[in-house]
Formats: sequence, C-alpha cells, structure tokens
Amino acid sequence: KQEVTQIPAALSVPEGENLVLNCSFTDSAIYNLQWFRQDPGKGLTSLLLIQSSQREQTSGRLNASLDKSSGRSTLYIAASQPGDSATYLCAVSSWDSNYQLIWGAGTKLIIKP
Amino acid sequence: DAGVIQSPRHEVTEMGQEVTLRCKPISGHDYLFWYRQTMMRGLELLIYFNNNVPIDDSGMPEDRFSAKMPNASFSTLKIQPSEPRDSAVYFCASTGLGETQYFGPGTRLLVL
Repeated sequence: KQEVTQIPAALSVPEGENLVLNCSFTDSAIYNLQWFRQDPGKGLTSLLLIQSSQREQTSGRLNASLDKSSGRSTLYIAASQPGDSATYLCAVSSWDSNYQLIWGAGTKLIIKP
Repeated sequence: DAGVIQSPRHEVTEMGQEVTLRCKPISGHDYLFWYRQTMMRGLELLIYFNNNVPIDDSGMPEDRFSAKMPNASFSTLKIQPSEPRDSAVYFCASTGLGETQYFGPGTRLLVL
C-alpha cells in the first residue's frame, strides 16, 4: 500500500532564503507525482505535476524533482517571499490505485518578512 | 472557465439533519473526486467518479454518506443523518486522465 510522507511538518524561514520541501513515497511504481499549495481556508492549487518518466519540472521560482528509485521528490523554492507562506502537499498516483491520489500530510511553510 | 464550483461555501446544521453538498466540475473533465479534510485526519478521498460512474467509494465513512453524479456537470454528496463528527471541509475536484486535479473552494460544514 502506497504511503506518502512529508518532512518537516512545519518550516519557518526568513524572506529571501532558498528552501527545500521533501516528499517520500514507499512504492516506486507511480504514474505521476504532484505538488499542491493550500492557503488557509482555501482549496488546493496545483503547482507542478511530474510524470513518472520525468526527472523534474519548473515553474517560475519553483522546481520539483523526482527520483523514483529512491522514492523521493523535492520542491525547491528560490528566493522565498512572504506570499509563499502556505501548506504544501505532495501526492502520488499509480496504476494500481486507479490513478487516485495518495496524499502526504503537508508541510506548513511560514516565510518571515 | 470558472473552475470547479461548490455550494454552499458554508453550512451550519444540527445533528440529525440532512446535508447536501453540490459540485459542478470543469467542463470536459471526466473524473470527479470528493474529499474531506480535517485537522486530525488530513485530506481523505471519499469517492470518485469516472464518466459519471462511481469507481471507488471505499473512503465513504458510513452508510450515512451517499454521492451521486446524474450527469457530467453535476454531483452531490449527501449526509443523512448528520453527526458532529462529520464537521469538516469537503472538497470536490475534477480532472482528465493523467492531468492535475483542480479543486473547488470547499464547503465548510459544521454540525452542532
């Protein structure tokens, strides 16, 4: 059974720093991996989707990497800003789960001005 | 596109009452998901549909919960009777196969 873990559960850094959020999964037979952002009281917004055949995806200051063999993904945020403060969730889908997403518990990120 | 639309945004009801949550997915998406989010349990998948057909409802907590998708543009999640432990934020999401999921803003349910 696929399990997704995100460490740390919370992170607080000063504005301007580069940071890395971690996601690990137990079964490497995934279809894709996705990173989402959730602001307080709001829904989830997709940030990046990495297909199983890809190693990384980039969008602006965000870069997500995928290493299937080790069951790991990282979300790199460059030059962090207070507006980046949110909870970041990682989710994986696989063929044997009918493509439904298996979710991590999220990392709550606070960027201090 | 207006995105995934959910109604109501907030619902306060008393224990024992029936609650109906509504969702309009993004046009053209053939998968629809219902999730529940609480502080204690995080994000949980309740049920999902493909082409209006329920595929996996193993996440539905009890028989008090039911979901329908009568057509490609509308789905409901019903709780009858509601209980205080059903208090949570309920999200609807839609997607095409292999694509990212688009979430609605959620319905914040409080059962007193």
